[in-house]
Amino acid sequence: DGGITQSPKYLFRKEGQNVTLSCEQNLNHDAMYWYRQDPGQGLRLIYYSQIVNDFQKGDIAEGYSVSREKKESFPLTVTSAQKNPTAFYLCASSPGQYNEKLFFGSGTQLSVL
Amino acid sequence: AQSVTQLGSHVSVSEGALVLLRCNYSSSVPPYLFWYVQYPNQGLQLLLKYTSAATLVKGINGFEAEFKKSETSFHLTKPSAHMSDAAEYFCAVTTGTASKLTFGTGTRLQVTL
Repeated sequence: DGGITQSPKYLFRKEGQNVTLSCEQNLNHDAMYWYRQDPGQGLRLIYYSQIVNDFQKGDIAEGYSVSREKKESFPLTVTSAQKNPTAFYLCASSPGQYNEKLFFGSGTQLSVL
Repeated sequence: AQSVTQLGSHVSVSEGALVLLRCNYSSSVPPYLFWYVQYPNQGLQLLLKYTSAATLVKGINGFEAEFKKSETSFHLTKPSAHMSDAAEYFCAVTTGTASKLTFGTGTRLQVTL
């Protein structure tokens, strides 16, 4: 079945540590996105990529980094510069930047130890 | 600039009762509007979308929404609530690409017996 796979489902970060969240899709979609979800705040865009080897900052990119070396993969690194990383992280994809329907993964809950 | 406001962070209805979730938007150009549903610890799933065709949009699971330009609203309704409808619902707006999608803060729907 086609879809988006996020791993791990739960992740814990120690002080000063970088952690990487995985996102893989087999939908052959060009565009991929990372959102952060906090209770009562909806979803906020961290980074997005419209094609391989290219990505742009979203509304809250500080303290995060991404790469897009393969069409199907868009990993997100939460760096030690992100002082409040505890949140639910959602990866999404769409067929193209002008197709507004997003397909979401099941998310990763990141917590700080 | 665009924005979306969801009135009521929590809505409770009895099984079989009408579901009404409110969404108002602000946009300087004709918008594309969406409703997404999120079940606990899951990603978001598209319920329906408005893209300037018919103003009454039918979605999955018996939900529908009506675009009212004069009221800048896009409320979500379902004639008869089912226990399985309990989830969080997000309204979203864009004036173009998916990367510019703005989400509301969400409404949690509770369905009681």
